[in-house]
Amino acid sequence: GAGVSQSPRYKVTKRGQDVALRCDPISGHVSLYWYRQALGQGPEFLTYFNYEAQQDKSGLPNDRFSAERPEGSISTLTIQRTEQRDSAMYRCASSRDRAYGYTFGSGTRLTVV
Amino acid sequence: GQQVMQIPQYQHVQEGEDFTTYCNSSTTLSNIQWYKQRPGGHPVFLIQLVKSGEVKKQKRLTFQFGEAKKNSSLHITATQTTDVGTYFCAGRSTNAGKSTFGDGTTLTVKP
Repeated sequence: GAGVSQSPRYKVTKRGQDVALRCDPISGHVSLYWYRQALGQGPEFLTYFNYEAQQDKSGLPNDRFSAERPEGSISTLTIQRTEQRDSAMYRCASSRDRAYGYTFGSGTRLTVV
Repeated sequence: GQQVMQIPQYQHVQEGEDFTTYCNSSTTLSNIQWYKQRPGGHPVFLIQLVKSGEVKKQKRLTFQFGEAKKNSSLHITATQTTDVGTYFCAGRSTNAGKSTFGDGTTLTVKP
């Protein structure tokens, strides 16, 4: 597509529920990144992929968070047993490869109540 | 782990004044990127610097990469109201695939 598409734009979920956030990167972009951004702060790294391979997941806060990109295109970030502290803007970005700048999507605003 | 610090956190200027934001990394970088995020929007890529001492210009914006590749700056000449937003630097350490973002400098411009 023309840009990075994230869905849903907004997600309100009850504590303890699982959520899946989707990212559709720019066609042909090798690298895909997940970041989380709190209000008034910069994006915080979660994980990234080259093609379908997860290269670095050091930013995932705990084992409730996981991500996949099975065919090297669309990626899903899954949060199990959500907690209120998981509430944040989740941003996906893609790039031609890791040496290039990122194109960010509009993000998914997750609210855990 | 790698840390990226930006100063100042906020800058309020009168339209027409200049603006500078500074970025410092705790580790040597292979490259540094700059992004602009408008209120309610997402970060938009502006530029990437790779070489030690590199200077790049985009119209009224001047970007510099320090000689030691641990710091960078963004200077805007004669600010306009369209420059309003938060400017982030993002540094990538050698052999790292990811970039670490600073917390940004938020610029407001009074007409």
